[in-house]
Amino acid sequence: AQSVAQPEDQVNVAEGNPLTVKCTYSVSGNPYLFWYVQYPNRGLQFLLKYITGDNLVKGSYGFEAEFNKSQTSFHLKKPSALVSDSALYFCAVRDPSNAGKSTFGDGTTLTVKP
Amino acid sequence: DSGVTQTPKHLITATGQRVTLRCSPRSGDLSVYWYQQSLDQGLQFLIQYYNGEERAKGNILERFSAQQFPDLHSELNLSSLELGDSALYFCASSVGGGSSQETQYFGPGTRLLVL
Repeated sequence: AQSVAQPEDQVNVAEGNPLTVKCTYSVSGNPYLFWYVQYPNRGLQFLLKYITGDNLVKGSYGFEAEFNKSQTSFHLKKPSALVSDSALYFCAVRDPSNAGKSTFGDGTTLTVKP
Repeated sequence: DSGVTQTPKHLITATGQRVTLRCSPRSGDLSVYWYQQSLDQGLQFLIQYYNGEERAKGNILERFSAQQFPDLHSELNLSSLELGDSALYFCASSVGGGSSQETQYFGPGTRLLVL
């Protein structure tokens, strides 16, 4: 069975500071990993994904994520946070042997203060 | 705007009733996925359809059913509704059959309140 953990319910950072939102996963094979962002009363928006190749993945809005196989992690990062980055962030994993099914983490609320 | 549309935006109904949620995928996308988002369960995958056929099944209750029509829009039917079914229901779509690499694009959701 596949699973995702986002160990922090809430992350608070000051505007201009770097941010990290953590995600760890468990899957039987090679994982396919995704990050989504959800703004209030909106659907999820795709940020980035890791399929294969370079462990550092760059995505939308200046976000990037680092895949670490030994630590089974896929942390989301941004060098300089904006107040507009405040939202709910979801990490998701797919097991290639179970193609259609995505498992999402519980989400992390990011608050960026001016 | 993801290009995925869902109707209605809000739905209020009573326990025991039946409702139908509708989703239109992005133009050209063949797969539709349904998810339930609630405070206690988080975001749960319910079911996927690809080109009219059921492709993958998640934590979907027997009281719930879905289908995808020839024009590729999909409907999620929820029956014998219970208070615990109150949630945000999302539809997502992807280009192909839902291979693990595909990005899913989410609609704005339908907020269901069961009283």
